Amino acid sequence: DIQMTQSPSSLSASVGDRVTITCRASQSISSYLNWYQQKPGKAPKLLIYAASSLQSGVPSRFSGSGSGTDFTLTISSLQPEDFATYYCQQTYSTPPITFGQGTRLEIK
Amino acid sequence: EVQLVESGGGLVQPGGSLRLSCAASGFVVSTNYMSWVRQAPGKGLEWVSVIYVGGSTYHADSVKGRFTISRHNTNNTLSLQMNSLRAEDTAVYYCARVLYKGVYYMDVWGTGTTVTVSS
Repeated sequence: DIQMTQSPSSLSASVGDRVTITCRASQSISSYLNWYQQKPGKAPKLLIYAASSLQSGVPSRFSGSGSGTDFTLTISSLQPEDFATYYCQQTYSTPPITFGQGTRLEIK
Repeated sequence: EVQLVESGGGLVQPGGSLRLSCAASGFVVSTNYMSWVRQAPGKGLEWVSVIYVGGSTYHADSVKGRFTISRHNTNNTLSLQMNSLRAEDTAVYYCARVLYKGVYYMDVWGTGTTVTVSS
Protein backbone atom coordinates (compact mmCIF):
# COMPACT_ATOMS: atom_id res chain seq x y z
CA ASP A 1 0.00 0.00 0.00
CA ILE A 2 1.11 3.56 -0.68
CA GLN A 3 1.79 5.55 2.48
CA MET A 4 1.14 9.28 2.60
CA THR A 5 3.07 11.46 5.04
CA GLN A 6 2.13 15.06 5.73
CA SER A 7 4.27 17.73 7.34
CA PRO A 8 3.98 19.46 9.60
CA SER A 9 1.39 17.64 11.74
CA SER A 10 0.32 20.97 13.17
CA LEU A 11 0.98 24.56 12.33
CA SER A 12 0.27 27.91 13.95
CA ALA A 13 -0.17 30.93 11.72
CA SER A 14 -1.78 34.35 11.63
CA VAL A 15 -4.44 35.83 9.39
CA GLY A 16 -2.76 37.08 6.24
CA ASP A 17 0.15 34.62 6.41
CA ARG A 18 1.23 32.44 3.50
CA VAL A 19 1.12 28.79 4.53
CA THR A 20 2.48 25.67 2.86
CA ILE A 21 1.64 22.07 3.80
CA THR A 22 3.64 19.19 2.35
CA CYS A 23 2.55 15.67 1.46
CA ARG A 24 4.96 12.91 0.47
CA ALA A 25 4.02 9.55 -1.07
CA SER A 26 5.99 6.38 -0.39
CA GLN A 27 6.22 5.80 -4.16
CA SER A 28 5.42 7.77 -7.26
CA ILE A 29 1.72 8.56 -7.68
CA SER A 30 1.99 10.83 -10.73
CA SER A 31 -0.61 13.56 -10.10
CA TYR A 32 -3.19 11.33 -8.38
CA LEU A 33 -3.24 13.56 -5.31
CA ASN A 34 -6.17 15.39 -3.76
CA TRP A 35 -6.47 17.82 -0.85
CA TYR A 36 -9.37 18.14 1.61
CA GLN A 37 -10.24 20.59 4.35
CA GLN A 38 -12.11 19.48 7.45
CA LYS A 39 -13.52 21.67 10.18
CA PRO A 40 -14.47 20.27 13.61
CA GLY A 41 -17.69 18.26 13.51
CA LYS A 42 -18.01 18.62 9.74
CA ALA A 43 -17.42 16.40 6.74
CA PRO A 44 -14.27 16.84 4.67
CA LYS A 45 -14.49 19.27 1.76
CA LEU A 46 -12.61 18.83 -1.51
CA LEU A 47 -10.20 21.70 -2.26
CA ILE A 48 -7.79 20.48 -4.91
CA TYR A 49 -7.83 17.42 -7.19
CA ALA A 50 -5.20 16.06 -9.57
CA ALA A 51 -2.52 17.84 -7.53
CA SER A 52 -3.25 21.32 -8.85
CA SER A 53 -6.85 21.64 -10.10
CA LEU A 54 -9.01 23.90 -7.96
CA GLN A 55 -12.43 22.49 -7.17
CA SER A 56 -15.33 24.70 -8.25
CA GLY A 57 -16.27 27.22 -5.58
CA VAL A 58 -12.97 27.03 -3.69
CA PRO A 59 -11.24 30.41 -3.23
CA SER A 60 -8.23 31.08 -5.45
CA ARG A 61 -5.97 31.64 -2.42
CA PHE A 62 -5.74 27.83 -2.29
CA SER A 63 -3.33 26.21 -4.72
CA GLY A 64 -1.64 22.85 -5.13
CA SER A 65 1.50 21.69 -6.86
CA GLY A 66 3.76 18.70 -7.28
CA SER A 67 3.94 15.34 -9.00
CA GLY A 68 5.60 12.02 -8.40
CA THR A 69 6.16 11.78 -4.67
CA ASP A 70 6.20 15.38 -3.37
CA PHE A 71 3.22 17.70 -3.21
CA THR A 72 2.31 20.98 -1.57
CA LEU A 73 -0.86 22.82 -0.63
CA THR A 74 -0.42 26.57 -0.34
CA ILE A 75 -2.78 29.13 1.12
CA SER A 76 -1.59 32.50 -0.14
CA SER A 77 -3.20 34.72 2.52
CA LEU A 78 -4.84 32.98 5.46
CA GLN A 79 -8.39 33.93 6.27
CA PRO A 80 -10.16 33.24 9.60
CA GLU A 81 -12.30 30.51 7.97
CA ASP A 82 -9.19 28.61 6.82
CA PHE A 83 -8.26 27.36 10.27
CA ALA A 84 -9.01 23.66 9.98
CA THR A 85 -7.35 20.29 9.41
CA TYR A 86 -6.06 19.47 5.94
CA TYR A 87 -5.64 15.99 4.46
CA CYS A 88 -3.95 14.76 1.33
CA GLN A 89 -5.24 11.63 -0.43
CA GLN A 90 -3.78 9.40 -3.13
CA THR A 91 -5.93 7.58 -5.66
CA TYR A 92 -3.14 6.28 -7.89
CA SER A 93 -2.93 2.75 -6.61
CA THR A 94 -6.38 1.79 -5.51
CA PRO A 95 -7.68 0.05 -3.68
CA PRO A 96 -6.81 1.03 -1.08
CA ILE A 97 -7.26 4.77 -1.21
CA THR A 98 -4.98 6.28 1.41
CA PHE A 99 -4.95 9.57 3.28
CA GLY A 100 -2.20 11.48 4.98
CA GLN A 101 -2.44 11.77 8.74
CA GLY A 102 -3.64 15.37 8.55
CA THR A 103 -2.22 18.82 9.27
CA ARG A 104 -3.97 20.92 11.89
CA LEU A 105 -3.78 24.63 11.11
CA GLU A 106 -4.31 26.77 14.19
CA ILE A 107 -4.49 30.47 14.89
CA LYS A 108 -1.31 31.98 16.32
CA GLU B 1 -28.76 19.97 -5.38
CA VAL B 2 -26.32 17.09 -5.07
CA GLN B 3 -26.54 15.68 -1.56
CA LEU B 4 -25.77 12.60 0.53
CA VAL B 5 -27.40 11.80 3.86
CA GLU B 6 -26.25 8.91 6.03
CA SER B 7 -28.33 7.09 8.62
CA GLY B 8 -28.28 3.93 10.69
CA GLY B 9 -25.54 4.69 13.18
CA GLY B 10 -25.87 3.98 16.88
CA LEU B 11 -24.57 2.07 19.87
CA VAL B 12 -23.89 -1.62 19.37
CA GLN B 13 -22.16 -4.26 21.46
CA PRO B 14 -18.90 -5.89 20.36
CA GLY B 15 -19.67 -8.73 17.99
CA GLY B 16 -22.91 -7.11 16.90
CA SER B 17 -24.11 -5.88 13.51
CA LEU B 18 -25.28 -2.60 12.06
CA ARG B 19 -26.37 -1.46 8.62
CA LEU B 20 -25.61 2.05 7.48
CA SER B 21 -27.50 3.74 4.66
CA CYS B 22 -26.63 6.70 2.48
CA ALA B 23 -29.43 8.38 0.54
CA ALA B 24 -28.39 10.29 -2.55
CA SER B 25 -30.21 13.14 -4.26
CA GLY B 26 -29.32 15.11 -7.36
CA PHE B 27 -27.43 12.25 -9.02
CA VAL B 28 -27.69 8.51 -9.61
CA VAL B 29 -25.71 6.25 -7.29
CA SER B 30 -25.45 3.38 -9.78
CA THR B 31 -23.67 5.51 -12.42
CA ASN B 32 -20.96 6.67 -10.02
CA TYR B 33 -18.21 5.13 -7.94
CA MET B 34 -19.24 5.41 -4.28
CA SER B 35 -17.19 5.01 -1.14
CA TRP B 36 -17.33 4.88 2.65
CA VAL B 37 -14.71 6.67 4.74
CA ARG B 38 -14.54 6.66 8.54
CA GLN B 39 -12.96 8.77 11.23
CA ALA B 40 -12.32 7.43 14.72
CA PRO B 41 -12.64 9.96 17.56
CA GLY B 42 -9.75 12.42 17.41
CA LYS B 43 -8.13 10.56 14.51
CA GLY B 44 -7.65 11.02 10.77
CA LEU B 45 -9.60 9.80 7.78
CA GLU B 46 -9.58 6.11 6.88
CA TRP B 47 -10.94 4.71 3.63
CA VAL B 48 -13.28 1.75 4.25
CA SER B 49 -14.95 0.54 1.06
CA VAL B 50 -15.68 1.36 -2.58
CA ILE B 51 -18.16 0.11 -5.14
CA TYR B 52 -17.49 0.65 -8.82
CA VAL B 53 -20.05 1.34 -11.54
CA GLY B 54 -19.74 -2.24 -12.79
CA GLY B 55 -20.53 -3.55 -9.31
CA SER B 56 -17.06 -4.60 -8.17
CA THR B 57 -16.46 -3.93 -4.49
CA TYR B 58 -13.32 -3.50 -2.42
CA HIS B 59 -12.76 -3.14 1.29
CA ALA B 60 -9.89 -2.07 3.53
CA ASP B 61 -7.97 -4.94 5.11
CA SER B 62 -9.17 -3.76 8.53
CA VAL B 63 -12.80 -4.55 7.63
CA LYS B 64 -12.45 -7.25 4.95
CA GLY B 65 -14.70 -10.20 5.63
CA ARG B 66 -16.79 -8.22 8.13
CA PHE B 67 -18.16 -5.24 6.15
CA THR B 68 -20.01 -5.30 2.82
CA ILE B 69 -20.75 -2.30 0.61
CA SER B 70 -23.76 -2.43 -1.70
CA ARG B 71 -26.09 -0.14 -3.60
CA HIS B 72 -29.81 -0.14 -4.21
CA ASN B 73 -30.93 1.28 -7.53
CA THR B 74 -34.64 1.41 -6.72
CA ASN B 75 -34.21 3.95 -3.95
CA ASN B 76 -30.86 5.43 -5.02
CA THR B 77 -29.02 4.49 -1.85
CA LEU B 78 -25.68 3.09 -0.77
CA SER B 79 -25.34 0.72 2.18
CA LEU B 80 -22.65 -0.63 4.45
CA GLN B 81 -23.44 -3.86 6.27
CA MET B 82 -21.15 -4.15 9.27
CA ASN B 83 -20.85 -7.47 11.10
CA SER B 84 -18.63 -8.73 13.92
CA LEU B 85 -18.12 -5.18 15.10
CA ARG B 86 -15.14 -4.32 17.28
CA ALA B 87 -14.34 -1.42 19.56
CA GLU B 88 -11.89 -0.12 16.95
CA ASP B 89 -14.75 0.28 14.46
CA THR B 90 -16.08 3.15 16.59
CA ALA B 91 -16.07 6.16 14.28
CA VAL B 92 -18.05 8.64 12.27
CA TYR B 93 -18.84 7.01 8.92
CA TYR B 94 -19.12 9.16 5.81
CA CYS B 95 -20.33 8.17 2.38
CA ALA B 96 -18.83 9.99 -0.59
CA ARG B 97 -19.22 10.17 -4.35
CA VAL B 98 -16.07 9.42 -6.29
CA LEU B 99 -15.63 11.27 -9.57
CA TYR B 100 -13.02 10.86 -12.30
CA LYS B 101 -11.36 13.75 -14.17
CA GLY B 102 -7.97 12.31 -14.94
CA VAL B 103 -7.77 11.19 -11.32
CA TYR B 104 -10.32 9.86 -8.87
CA TYR B 105 -11.48 12.18 -6.12
CA MET B 106 -14.33 12.47 -3.61
CA ASP B 107 -16.32 15.56 -4.49
CA VAL B 108 -19.48 15.15 -2.41
CA TRP B 109 -19.62 13.90 1.18
CA GLY B 110 -22.47 13.18 3.52
CA THR B 111 -22.68 14.70 7.00
CA GLY B 112 -21.73 11.41 8.63
CA THR B 113 -23.32 8.94 11.02
CA THR B 114 -21.76 7.86 14.32
CA VAL B 115 -21.13 4.24 15.19
CA THR B 116 -20.15 3.37 18.75
CA VAL B 117 -19.11 -0.18 19.59
CA SER B 118 -19.15 -0.70 23.32
CA SER B 119 -20.53 -3.01 25.97
